[in-house]
Amino acid sequence: ELKVEQNPLFLSMQEGKNYTIYCNYSTTSDRLYWYRQDPGKSLESLFVLLSNGAVKQEGRLMASLDTKARLSTLHITAAVHDLSATYFCAVVRGGGGADGLTFGKGTHLIIQP
Amino acid sequence: GAVVSQHPSRVICKSGTSVKIECRSLDFQATTMFWYRQFPKQSLMLMATSNEGSKATYEQGVEKDKFLINHASLTLSTLTVTSAHPEDSSFYICSASPSTRNEQFFGPGTRLTVL
Repeated sequence: ELKVEQNPLFLSMQEGKNYTIYCNYSTTSDRLYWYRQDPGKSLESLFVLLSNGAVKQEGRLMASLDTKARLSTLHITAAVHDLSATYFCAVVRGGGGADGLTFGKGTHLIIQP
Repeated sequence: GAVVSQHPSRVICKSGTSVKIECRSLDFQATTMFWYRQFPKQSLMLMATSNEGSKATYEQGVEKDKFLINHASLTLSTLTVTSAHPEDSSFYICSASPSTRNEQFFGPGTRLTVL
């Protein structure tokens, strides 16, 4: 059974600081996703990571994937209040495009001025 | 592109009634769609995989007779919660993936409240 673990589950940080969210998964997968969820809303896609060593950046967020370690990281640089949200990583079960996602529990991020 | 819509966005119903939720891919065709459920302050859990023209595949612990899924076309899947009870109150989110992309796109969700 595929398990996805995120840590930390809750993070309060000050604007301008850097931090990293970690996502471990238990079995081989060829795709890992990061999503953002604002309160009462659905998911917004942030990154799709497809291969070992993949690194993607968008603004103050950067995601990486190490398939050998079964680890992905979401790094936040010089955090701003607008990044406050819940962040989920998710992994595809199986090896095909028609497979559902297994989600981590989410990291609730609060960025304080 | 790759927009997924859901209807309704919010529904309140009495215990024992049935509720239908629609999920549409607006600008692409999807042979497979997925239904997730999210309870307050929890993560998303996959309920079932909806396959166009064939039976849905349900996750362990999800009652197929309670959560009826129909995927009658390449752009529409429906989830019917039959004989809803208060414990079915949740945020239901569908997703779909264009065949040409490795991403799943999520609908805006349907918040179901059963009184």
